[in-house]
Amino acid sequence: DIVMTQSPDSLAVSLGERATINCKSSQSILYSSNNNNYLAWYQQKPGQPPYLLIYWASTRESGVPDRFSGSGSGTNFTLTISSLQVEDVAVYYCQQYHSAPHTFGQGTKLQIK
Amino acid sequence: QVQLQESGPGLLKPSETLSLTCTVSGGSISSDYWSWIRQPPGKGPEWIGYLHYSGNTRYNPSLKSRVTVSFDRSNNQFSLRLNSVTAADTAVYYCARVLRGGGWSLGDWGQGTLVTVSS
Repeated sequence: DIVMTQSPDSLAVSLGERATINCKSSQSILYSSNNNNYLAWYQQKPGQPPYLLIYWASTRESGVPDRFSGSGSGTNFTLTISSLQVEDVAVYYCQQYHSAPHTFGQGTKLQIK
Repeated sequence: QVQLQESGPGLLKPSETLSLTCTVSGGSISSDYWSWIRQPPGKGPEWIGYLHYSGNTRYNPSLKSRVTVSFDRSNNQFSLRLNSVTAADTAVYYCARVLRGGGWSLGDWGQGTLVTVSS
């Protein structure tokens, strides 16, 4: 199985400041045949299901604010929130869908400083 | 916008069979790929597998020997069965739709249903 490791486990950022969450895969999740990285980012608030933010490592899902962006390739990926808002307090998960089982990271809890 | 709703018993005894149904509205179950995911309390999600009405399915190898999925086209539902449950199967179970054009990312989720396994 591909192991997804996120860092940090928790993060406190001031309102309006940048938040950066990292995700590392135990093997490359880039398909050379199509140059796509098979990675998604989700946001989960208490009592709610995960909500898709980013797929193909950097494509924002429809309706997701543009302060959310994804980057990286191969084994190292980053989710950036450019200007933290109150409603961004949540747990964030990365998921690889390159190889079954489609594994998730352990999550990063984002709070307001 | 497609909507999904999980349903099924919330409490099971060890060795029993978990049986959940996902009812889809706003879309046809024969049109897309679907997925089951579970999330133990306080932990990250775990992918159970994906399924398609055509019969194309893929399961998590750690669960494969205990999982069965099926479709009910007349009710626009699909189902999950997990046999021989233990306390380790206690989790919120979600059904989700695979995002079209998004690889295997999961674009629409149900609200989830908590299944507790306890004697």
